[in-house]
Amino acid sequence: AQSVTQLGSHVSVSEGALVLLRCNYSSSVPPYLFWYVQYPNQGLQLLLKYTSAATLVKGINGFEAEFKKSETSFHLTKPSAHMSDAAEYFCAVTVDTGRRALTFGSGTRLQVQP
Amino acid sequence: NAGVTQTPKFQVLKTGQSMTLQCAQDMNHNSMYWYRQDPGMGLRLIYYSASEGTTDKGEVPNGYNVSRLNKREFSLRLESAAPSQTSVYFCASSEGRQAIEPQHFGDGTRLSIL
Repeated sequence: AQSVTQLGSHVSVSEGALVLLRCNYSSSVPPYLFWYVQYPNQGLQLLLKYTSAATLVKGINGFEAEFKKSETSFHLTKPSAHMSDAAEYFCAVTVDTGRRALTFGSGTRLQVQP
Repeated sequence: NAGVTQTPKFQVLKTGQSMTLQCAQDMNHNSMYWYRQDPGMGLRLIYYSASEGTTDKGEVPNGYNVSRLNKREFSLRLESAAPSQTSVYFCASSEGRQAIEPQHFGDGTRLSIL
């Protein structure tokens, strides 16, 4: 079965600093990977997804993620944090096009300090 | 566009009471999902429906029932609520029937069982 592990339940950065949120996956077959963001009292919104077309995936709001098979990782980055980036971020995985369910990580709460 | 609408937004129940959480989407999506979100555990799939008239169990289906009333609506029922079902419940939908497609989430129902 597939799984994802998000390292760090809380990450704090200063405004303008690099954002790095870590996600490692476990899968015996090629995975499809996603990052979702959840703002307070809202549902999840898709940031970006990897479906094997390109290893570097660009998403909304200046975020991007790189799929590294050798490291089984799909870390999320943004060069310069903005106060509005404060939210909870979830990595998710599924393993084939026939499967209908996503497996989510436990989430990383990003705090942005002024 | 309303997207995915969940009702109610908040609910407090006593142990043993029953209730139905409602979800409706106006995007003509085929697939719909119910998740629960608990602190430190990410989202876990309760049930999903790949099309009108079909439903399948997810990771944590015990204590829940669902109904795909039509293409727009997917309800979640707790027949006899238990304190362990205190959680935030999210409904989601996606256009196709595969998990690689982006899911669109409602804002959630915050449910407390006393």
